[in-house]
Amino acid sequence: GAGVSQTPSNKVTEKGKYVELRCDPISGHTALYWYRQSLGQGPEFLIYFQGTGAADDSGLPNDRFFAVRPEGSVSTLKIQRTERGDSAVYLCASSLNVPSNTGELFFGEGSRLTVL
Amino acid sequence: AQKVTQAQTEISVVEKEDVTLDCVYETRDTTYYLFWYKQPPSGELVFLIRRNSFDEQNEISGRYSWNFQKSTSSFNFTITASQVVDSAVYFCALSEDGGSQGNLIFGKGTKLSVKP
Repeated sequence: GAGVSQTPSNKVTEKGKYVELRCDPISGHTALYWYRQSLGQGPEFLIYFQGTGAADDSGLPNDRFFAVRPEGSVSTLKIQRTERGDSAVYLCASSLNVPSNTGELFFGEGSRLTVL
Repeated sequence: AQKVTQAQTEISVVEKEDVTLDCVYETRDTTYYLFWYKQPPSGELVFLIRRNSFDEQNEISGRYSWNFQKSTSSFNFTITASQVVDSAVYFCALSEDGGSQGNLIFGKGTKLSVKP
């Protein structure tokens, strides 16, 4: 489809394992964002990319979290040594330009991560 | 510090009733943007509106209207003649620094249930 695609939609893992979450933005969108949404909370900013570079990674909670976007399109969020507190829905969004002054971020349906 | 407060956790109305969702924000910036997003059960956030800090005009779009008042730091959202399809979680969000930082600060959301 033409929207933001995220895989997997659901991921169950054990504490201490490594996880990768993938985001395929809308074609032509230069900006890509990762957010995390815990149950009953609003989305929380993690990182955003302009092209291949991370323009703002101030929201990454610690060095277990890392994201890449090597060709300026698909992005992968990587979580090392997962903890139960990492359980959440990880949302990806994209927009046509950065700075995103329109505010119209196009979100995917998210990847639900459960750490047992 | 920047903050968005949505005091109403859940609201339940009967179809055709009007409903107002409250949003109060805190920011030190003079230039900022305010947004509303809708999150239906599918989980995909849908952009509804963006307003900048210099434009306090109320806006109406069909059954939706927004009231921005800088004096009370509020940006409330009203749905007129609500419908079952309006059932969703609604998020208010703030972007500081003229929206150039590429990230949004979300409130915790208000879950709206419209019953037939």
